[in-house]
Amino acid sequence: KQEVTQIPAALSVPEGENLVLNCSFTDSAIYNLQWFRQDPGKGLTSLLLIQSSQREQTSGRLNASLDKSSGRSTLYIAASQPGDSATYLCAVQAGTALIFGKGTTLSVSS
Amino acid sequence: GAVVSQHPSRVICKSGTSVKIECRSLDFQATTMFWYRQFPKQSLMLMATSNEGSKATYEQGVEKDKFLINHASLTLSTLTVTSAHPEDSSFYICSASTGNTIYFGEGSWLTVV
Repeated sequence: KQEVTQIPAALSVPEGENLVLNCSFTDSAIYNLQWFRQDPGKGLTSLLLIQSSQREQTSGRLNASLDKSSGRSTLYIAASQPGDSATYLCAVQAGTALIFGKGTTLSVSS
Repeated sequence: GAVVSQHPSRVICKSGTSVKIECRSLDFQATTMFWYRQFPKQSLMLMATSNEGSKATYEQGVEKDKFLINHASLTLSTLTVTSAHPEDSSFYICSASTGNTIYFGEGSWLTVV
């Protein structure tokens, strides 16, 4: 059974720092991996989607990598801003549904 | 704009009553939609797969008689929480896919008092 783990559970950084969020999954047979952002009381916003054949994806200050063989993904956020404060969820797709991690709650202080 | 709409975004109901949550695909037809539930500080958990024109497929541990799913059209799936109890208070979110892209609704916060 696929399990997705995210470390750390929570992270607090000062504005301007670069940071890395980690995601690991137990079954490497995945179609893709996605990173989402969830603001308090809100739904999910898709940030980056990495297909199983890809190694990384970039969007603005975000860079996500995927090492399928080791079952790991990282989300790199450059020059963090207070507006980046949210919970970041990693999810793998094997089939048509997604399996989510518990998320990392990020707080960026100004 | 949103391609999957969920309604209501927030609902408070009394214990013992039923509440219905709607999930609509706005720009495409979705033969399959998914319902997830998220308890505080927990991950999103798949509850069931909603199939248009047929019975939903429930994940292990999800009571099908309590969480009624109806997918009567290609653009609408509904989740009805029957005889709601305070422990059913949670964040419920739906998703639908077109091609390789999965879209999520905005989610519905249910509070049972």
